[in-house]
Amino acid sequence: EAQVTQNPRYLITVTGKKLTVTCSQNMNHEYMSWYRQDPGLGLRQIYYSMNVEVTDKGDVPEGYKVSRKEKRNFPLILESPSPNQTSLYFCASSLNGAGNTEAFFGQGTRLTVV
Amino acid sequence: AQSVAQPEDQVNVAEGNPLTVKCTYSVSGNPYLFWYVQYPNRGLQFLLKYITGDNLVKGSYGFEAEFNKSQTSFHLKKPSALVSDSALYFCAVRDDTGGFKTIFGAGTRLFVKA
Repeated sequence: EAQVTQNPRYLITVTGKKLTVTCSQNMNHEYMSWYRQDPGLGLRQIYYSMNVEVTDKGDVPEGYKVSRKEKRNFPLILESPSPNQTSLYFCASSLNGAGNTEAFFGQGTRLTVV
Repeated sequence: AQSVAQPEDQVNVAEGNPLTVKCTYSVSGNPYLFWYVQYPNRGLQFLLKYITGDNLVKGSYGFEAEFNKSQTSFHLKKPSALVSDSALYFCAVRDDTGGFKTIFGAGTRLFVKA
């Protein structure tokens, strides 16, 4: 089954404790991205990747890191989480970076930083 | 700069009645427009997209959307609403000028009453 898999689904952590949210897709997609969803703000793009070893900042990259060492994986790293990073996070992939391709989304990771 | 507006936070409609969820956009070049739906505790699912051609686009679950270039709108419609259509709907836009970011609206919550 074609899918984007994120782990974990739920995470509660303390301020400053490094964490990684994993994302994997099995569709051989070139383009992957991370979003955060906050009430009233919709989805805001954190980082995106056009292909292996190619990443770039989205609209809200501060406090986040990503890597794309393999085509299928695109982990999101919070080196020193803060409470304002409490949010619902989605990983997405699409066939390529062309604007006319739709995105496939993971189930989401609800992160709480206390 | 690209932007998307969904002017209604919530739309209420009775089952069997037609529904409309509004979306307006602003882009530099020609738009690529998308609608996604999010059910509770799920990721976003692609509904339909406009790339070029016929202004009326048909998508999943009986939804359709009409592209109106002069009004810069892309409203989502369905002739007869179902209770199971109750969900959060997102409009999204990219353009053909080569940018790699997708901009999402804030979302509209649709309630369909039996």
